[in-house]
Amino acid sequence: DTGVSQDPRHKITKRGQNVTFRCDPISEHNRLYWYRQTLGQGPEFLTYFQNEAQLEKSRLLSDRFSAERPKGSFSTLEIQRTEQGDSAMYLCASSFMGRDQEAFFGQGTRLTVV
Amino acid sequence: GEDVEQSLFLSVREGDSSVINCTYTDSSSTYLYWYKQEPGAGLQLLTYIFSNMDMKQDQRLTVLLNKKDKHLSLRIADTQTGDSAIYFCAESTGKLIFGQGTELSVKP
Repeated sequence: DTGVSQDPRHKITKRGQNVTFRCDPISEHNRLYWYRQTLGQGPEFLTYFQNEAQLEKSRLLSDRFSAERPKGSFSTLEIQRTEQGDSAMYLCASSFMGRDQEAFFGQGTRLTVV
Repeated sequence: GEDVEQSLFLSVREGDSSVINCTYTDSSSTYLYWYKQEPGAGLQLLTYIFSNMDMKQDQRLTVLLNKKDKHLSLRIADTQTGDSAIYFCAESTGKLIFGQGTELSVKP
């Protein structure tokens, strides 16, 4: 296992289109997190899962954003009707509950909305 | 509430020690972390400390935690040019809450 994997690495889309990103966590990890990072800022929490259950979703998260983790393994993050303000790096991380101190991040998906 | 604050910039000379400071607000945080991010790269977990500890040392890195003041620091001994990066402090209450990051610039 080489770590947390995210796909695609880069995505350019036109405003109003829908996009979907995928995250494959480290295989034995049961927690999975999504973050968003814009230039000059720290990662901003979006949502997280324990197995297939979505435990928390940021109040700042628009209802255009939805995330799933159907079998408790990989996760998808979908953004509907994208806006220019959605342009950011979308980061995924995973950890093993009980050892949450070891949360490892993927390389991220850079979204550009034009 | 959950909030993490860091100073934005630090500049040091190669070979000196660097100290990056952070304050947090949530006293129920169980772990506190330091992550490193190099340009164009993902977040790398550097070290972490459990909230009932006050110090942790890991090679050139020393983490100090003052739980009463909710203050965390990262000291890098013998700072090298390869240490130039953005350093993020984070607190954990299940999810990680990050600060804005401190950009460390190491001059030769």
